[in-house]
Parts: sequence; structure tokens; C-alpha cells
Amino acid sequence: AQSVTQLDSQVPVFEEAPVELRCNYSSSVSVYLFWYVQYPNQGLQLLLKYLSGSTLVKGINGFEAEFNKSQTSFHLRKPSVHISDTAEYFCAVSVSSGSARQLTFGSGTQLTVLP
Amino acid sequence: GAGVSQTPSNKVTEKGKYVELRCDPISGHTALYWYRQSLGQGPEFLIYFQGTGAADDSGLPNDRFFAVRPEGSVSTLKIQRTERGDSAVYLCASSPGTGSSYNEQFFGPGTRLTVL
Repeated sequence: AQSVTQLDSQVPVFEEAPVELRCNYSSSVSVYLFWYVQYPNQGLQLLLKYLSGSTLVKGINGFEAEFNKSQTSFHLRKPSVHISDTAEYFCAVSVSSGSARQLTFGSGTQLTVLP
Repeated sequence: GAGVSQTPSNKVTEKGKYVELRCDPISGHTALYWYRQSLGQGPEFLIYFQGTGAADDSGLPNDRFFAVRPEGSVSTLKIQRTERGDSAVYLCASSPGTGSSYNEQFFGPGTRLTVL
């Protein structure tokens, strides 16, 4: 089984400041890693994913994340945030083999960008 | 093109009643997933369909929950004898398929179920 821990439930940050949202995972098998964003009253949207290859992955809206296998982490970063980045962010994993690819999510981090 | 749609968007029911939640996946997507998101939590997996069959229902919390996908497209999540603890947002996602390659899951907006 897999599990995901998001260490911060809420992160307030001022506009144009950098931000890092932390994610650690646990799994006995090889996994894929994801970050999703959820805006109020909207569905989940994929920000970025790590499948294989380069450990630094870039996503939409200027976000990036780095896969660290030794620390089992997949932290999300953005060098300069905007008001419009205010949303709930979820880290997730799925197994990388087999037919069932359901996602296991963390409990989420509410990012609030302050003017 | 059209994304994943879910109906109704909101459902209020009384304890003990039966409810059905519908998911229309993206056309041609063979894989369909149901998740449940309780307040302040991340989504939790309920059931996965590949085509018409439930390939993995290990996330269903008990036998009051059941889901079908009779023609391999639309899916219905059915909850019998609803309890207040069933109140949550029920999310549906579809993907092109499975196998050795990655297939992105596309999420619907969810159905907010409130059991009074």
C-alpha cells in the first residue's frame, strides 16, 4: 500500500514571494507522483507529474517539483506566486505497473497568496 | 471537447434514504474511477472500472455502497440506507485506459452529498 503525507495544511505567502509545498510518500513498489490543484467549486486539475527520467519536472502555471528518491519526497515549488495561485494543492501517488492505477492522495495544503 | 460530467452537482437527502450519483466520462475512455473527498481531506479511492467490469472495489467502505457501469461508459454510484457519515464530495475520473503506459486521469467537478 502507498501513503502520502503533506506536512503543511495551510501555507500563507505574500504575492511575488517564493513558495514550497512539501510532500513525502511511502511505498513498497515503484510509483508515479503527481501534484493536483483544486480551485473553489472546481474539479481537480493536474499540475505536473513524475513518471521517470529527470527528477526535476515542470508543470503548468510556473510550478515545478523535484523527485528525491532517497528522501521519498516530491516537493512543489514556485519562484514567484500570484493571487490567482490561491487554491488547495494535493500530492498523489499511483503504482507504476499493473492495471489498476488509482491515486492515493495526501490531505492537501491550502495555499493562500496575500496581497 | 467535453470533460467528465457528474450529476447532480448537489444532493441533499435524509438519513436512511437511497441515492444514485451519475458520472459521464470522456468519450472513449475505458477506465473510470470513483473517489470520495470528505471535508478537509484528500480524495480517497472507492472503485475502479475497466470497461464494464469493476476491476478493483477495495475502496468501497461497506456493502451499502455499490457502483455499476453496464455499457462501459456512464457509471452510477449507489448508496443504500445513507448515513450522516456518507456526507462528502464524490468525484469521478476517467482515463484513456491502462496497461504499461501512463494515462492521465481527468476529474469531474464532483457531487456534493449531504445526509441530514
